[in-house]
Amino acid sequence: EVQLVESGGGVIQPGGSLRLSCAASGFNFHNFAMHWVRQAPGKGLEWISLISGTGGNTFYSDSVRDRFTISRDNNKNSLYLQMSSLKTEDTAFYYCAKVGKNGDSFFEYWGQGTLVAVS
Amino acid sequence: QSALTQPRSVSGSPGQSVTISCTGTSSDVGTYNFVSWYQQRPGKAPKLIIFDVTKRPSGVPDRFSGSKSGNTASLIISGLQPDDEGDFYCCSFAGSYSWVFGTGTEVTVL
Repeated sequence: EVQLVESGGGVIQPGGSLRLSCAASGFNFHNFAMHWVRQAPGKGLEWISLISGTGGNTFYSDSVRDRFTISRDNNKNSLYLQMSSLKTEDTAFYYCAKVGKNGDSFFEYWGQGTLVAVS
Repeated sequence: QSALTQPRSVSGSPGQSVTISCTGTSSDVGTYNFVSWYQQRPGKAPKLIIFDVTKRPSGVPDRFSGSKSGNTASLIISGLQPDDEGDFYCCSFAGSYSWVFGTGTEVTVL
């Protein structure tokens, strides 16, 4: 069974930094690209970042590029999101998501999310 | 990238069918057959229900179906059940390794 468990959220002041983690299990982690998607409280979903299975290719939305860094450790089956220069508008639940086994154009499995509050 | 446009809410009685539209542009929905749909219940993570416009993951009832015409994708829920309540989001690949979500639709079973 695929499981994704995020951690690392909390309350942080504007301008601060925070590192989120996502522990993956139940699949061959290194074979799959992974995403981060966020959702401000009471608002819609926003894609923010993608990393390839090897970690060699990373992509970002305009809203977080140059402030956030996605990475992974395939030996630890873990995905990370290093967030810096945080703004109040970064307040959101942050979800890690696995791409589909039949294609990487969608988000097949999601974690339960971790809340980041910038205040 | 602007969010895809969805109706704020739709409702129906048990057994009825409802359709949720998802309107994008020629840069996303209109160009790529990579539209997916997600159901999100209160306090829970989103769950994939449709991918690649029309495909259903295993375990998703065939009451859920997807289609696309031009810049608009649609999710049809037939035989509406109380358990179908929640927020539904569409999502489209938007090129250059980016994705855009819809504004979300609240489904209410009357």
